[in-house]
Amino acid sequence: QKEVEQDPGPLSVPEGAIVSLNCTYSNSAFQYFMWYRQYSRKGPELLMYTYSSGNKEDGRFTAQVDKSSKYISLFIRDSQPSDSATYLCALGGSYIPTFGRGTSLIVHP
Amino acid sequence: DAGVTQSPTHLIKTRGQQVTLRCSPKSGHDTVSWYQQALGQGPQFIFQYYEEEERQRGNFPDRFSGHQFPNYSSELNVNALLLGDSALYLCASSPTSGFSSYNEQFFGPGTRLTVL
Repeated sequence: QKEVEQDPGPLSVPEGAIVSLNCTYSNSAFQYFMWYRQYSRKGPELLMYTYSSGNKEDGRFTAQVDKSSKYISLFIRDSQPSDSATYLCALGGSYIPTFGRGTSLIVHP
Repeated sequence: DAGVTQSPTHLIKTRGQQVTLRCSPKSGHDTVSWYQQALGQGPQFIFQYYEEEERQRGNFPDRFSGHQFPNYSSELNVNALLLGDSALYLCASSPTSGFSSYNEQFFGPGTRLTVL
């Protein structure tokens, strides 16, 4: 079992939809949780990070962490075609960060 | 601010050769981390440099080595290239080292290495 599991997709949604992206993990030692967006042929860009269970909101993005279930989510409201990218979760603690393989999101007009 | 820059953009090598990739960190950042991203996979941590020393290392063989210069720029060297080394190599810089650096890092666009 991989430490971090993430469905590669692709996930295709219409413009304006609410998108839910998820990762599960097995190592309870992970203490911080991050979401990156990676456009084709670009490096990852940090979207959000959080240390605790619960929700954290930033504009159209909401990160949710459930440590008891070892499950993290990223919600995107009012999705736009410009949100089309690969979304990577990354988890860490006193260890180096471990990335999921990414979920490819396609938002079509 | 140019952000994190990497060179070259693309590189083609043959098995057994050696390669050097370069990274200039974002202005104000003194810590550089290197990652390998195979096609369809997430980035895998190779190592982190701070104060010109390797501070942390991931599960990569000694064929992967690095260097950090006094101006904080960094090089990644890979010796005896294998076909499996073909990947996007990402450099990330941060204003701190260690534990807290990973949630403050900015990535460069990467160098795509193809080994034939």
